[in-house]
Amino acid sequence: DVKVTQSSRYLVKRTGEKVFLECVQDMDHENMFWYRQDPGLGLRLIYFSYDVKMKEKGDIPEGYSVSREKKERFSLILESASTNQTSMYLCASSSYSGRSRETQYFGPGTRLLVL
Amino acid sequence: AQSVAQPEDQVNVAEGNPLTVKCTYSVSGNPYLFWYVQYPNRGLQFLLKYITGDNLVKGSYGFEAEFNKSQTSFHLKKPSALVSDSALYFCAVRDAGGAGNNRKLIWGLGTSLAVNP
Repeated sequence: DVKVTQSSRYLVKRTGEKVFLECVQDMDHENMFWYRQDPGLGLRLIYFSYDVKMKEKGDIPEGYSVSREKKERFSLILESASTNQTSMYLCASSSYSGRSRETQYFGPGTRLLVL
Repeated sequence: AQSVAQPEDQVNVAEGNPLTVKCTYSVSGNPYLFWYVQYPNRGLQFLLKYITGDNLVKGSYGFEAEFNKSQTSFHLKKPSALVSDSALYFCAVRDAGGAGNNRKLIWGLGTSLAVNP
């Protein structure tokens, strides 16, 4: 089974702090994604990466950056956390090939509260 | 532009009755279509997908979905609902002709399914 893990389930930070959310997948997937989920707004893509050291902006990249130094790990960074970044953050991964191609597999999510 | 619509915010059904969660889509080429389920405070779980082949796709937990090209729909169905099916359901689409490394999915806003005992 594909496993996607996220470093924290719940996180409380203060405004202005730098926040790191880490995601690790164990299936050698090429693609990794960071979403945020807010009530009534569905899933919104922040950034995605299709290869090591490669990144592409999603629909709402402002206030975020990402890092992918190793294939299995994709980090989301909030440079200076703000209260409007309070949300559920979901990481996912997918592959180009095989029976499960294009299927995104999700981690359990990190619920971030910025005070 | 690619888009996905889930026209119902909430669906209520009695346990044992059939359920349908609706999804319509718009893509320029042939679609890849997906259904996911999310239980409270959890990540999304993959249910089923259509890429090519038989229009009726069977997935996890007894769910199935029918790809209808003429109606551009991919409705999720189950013959007999369980209380444990109560959750948030998301439909997603990717344009099969998406160029290069564009592997993004376009997501619906979700439909909350409540199955009443």
